[in-house]
Amino acid sequence: EADIYQTPRYLVIGTGKKITLECSQTMGHDKMYWYQQDPGMELHLIHYSYGVNSTEKGDLSSESTVSRIRTEHFPLTLESARPSHTSQYLCASSEVGSGTKTQYFGPGTRLLVL
Amino acid sequence: DQQVKQNSPSLSVQEGRISILNCDYTNSMFDYFLWYKKYPAEGPTFLISISSIKDKNEDGRFTVFLNKSAKHLSLHIVPSQPGDSAVYFCAASITAGTYKYIFGTGTRLKVLA
Repeated sequence: EADIYQTPRYLVIGTGKKITLECSQTMGHDKMYWYQQDPGMELHLIHYSYGVNSTEKGDLSSESTVSRIRTEHFPLTLESARPSHTSQYLCASSEVGSGTKTQYFGPGTRLLVL
Repeated sequence: DQQVKQNSPSLSVQEGRISILNCDYTNSMFDYFLWYKKYPAEGPTFLISISSIKDKNEDGRFTVFLNKSAKHLSLHIVPSQPGDSAVYFCAASITAGTYKYIFGTGTRLKVLA
């Protein structure tokens, strides 16, 4: 059973507000990821991290930013939310260099920007 | 250009029967494949995976088949249960590298009681 947590689960916010979506995992995984998913669409990778102080942009351009100061924590920040940011945001983690290559997901944050 | 494709957006199956979900990929460098199950408003749950050195992997009611020459994999669920109703995503990765995963668009499975 994977232990990866996301808060909040649901967020409704006005345009222009700054928001931070939290993601934490207790598995000691080095790699962490943020995906964005709209209904009926594939998961799009927007950020990933190989470890502490390492962050990379994903395949889908995003106005969000991330940080990785601690292994277990990978928050995503939107400085100024817009309606186009309305989506589901999924955090995931995986081990590096071990036999298992499975990626485990958190429950997601569903964001609605008015 | 979508590297991982799930061409069937939905599938309905009678309870007790076999569900077969398909996935095609274009990048021959992919060497690890995963299937996830997702309920609305929840994160994907890992189901089963397969390495490119195998052509079959089985876990309980779930079996994944990989046909490398056709760049095709499938997930078989036998017997199907109403609780299996969800969206199923396949994902592919190149493990000797960035550990990034490319996802398909998903297939919505409905198991009818």
